[in-house]
Amino acid sequence: AQTVTQSQPEMSVQEAETVTLSCTYDTSESNYYLFWYKQPPSRQMILVIRQEAYKQQNATENRFSVNFQKAAKSFSLKISDSQLGDTAMYFCAFMGSSNTGKLIFGQGTTLQVKP
Amino acid sequence: DTEVTQTPKHLVMGMTNKKSLKCEQHMGHRAMYWYKQKAKKPPELMFVYSYEKLSINESVPSRFSPECPNSSLLNLHLHALQPEDSALYLCASSQNIWRQTNTEAFFGQGTRLTVV
Repeated sequence: AQTVTQSQPEMSVQEAETVTLSCTYDTSESNYYLFWYKQPPSRQMILVIRQEAYKQQNATENRFSVNFQKAAKSFSLKISDSQLGDTAMYFCAFMGSSNTGKLIFGQGTTLQVKP
Repeated sequence: DTEVTQTPKHLVMGMTNKKSLKCEQHMGHRAMYWYKQKAKKPPELMFVYSYEKLSINESVPSRFSPECPNSSLLNLHLHALQPEDSALYLCASSQNIWRQTNTEAFFGQGTRLTVV
């Protein structure tokens, strides 16, 4: 069974600084997707970034980038130039090749951006 | 339109009540999902509908009854709930359930359910 682990329950960062959130996962599959979702106090889960396992190049979306290490089964999220609006709970998620659409989430990291 | 709309946003119900949660999307997605989320915890999958047919039931108690009347609508009927069922119920949709083309799930803002 696949598992996703986020080992940092809470983190804080000063505005404009850079922060990295960690995620590891366990799977025996070779083709899968990995995602980072953001859930602000408004409750809506918003996709931040996704990575396809067969792509070696790390995904980047504006201030958000990932460090995908397939052999190590690691998928960390780097937020550059942190903004107050980045304050949220961040979930790492895995979707395997079972064609169910099922997302397996990590326990989440609460990020506080301080002014 | 990349929205998933859930109603109501908040719901308080007694243990003997019957209520329904509603979810709607107009993105042409053919997969829709119900997740349950407790405070400070990750969402847990409850049900998956693919092309209006129930494809996954994650051993959810029968007091939760999903329904997909058409490709845009997903309902969750609630009956005889327990206080421990109080949670945020999130609806999501995606293009389909096939990994190769299912690149993103869009979530609604959820319904905050309190069972008294």
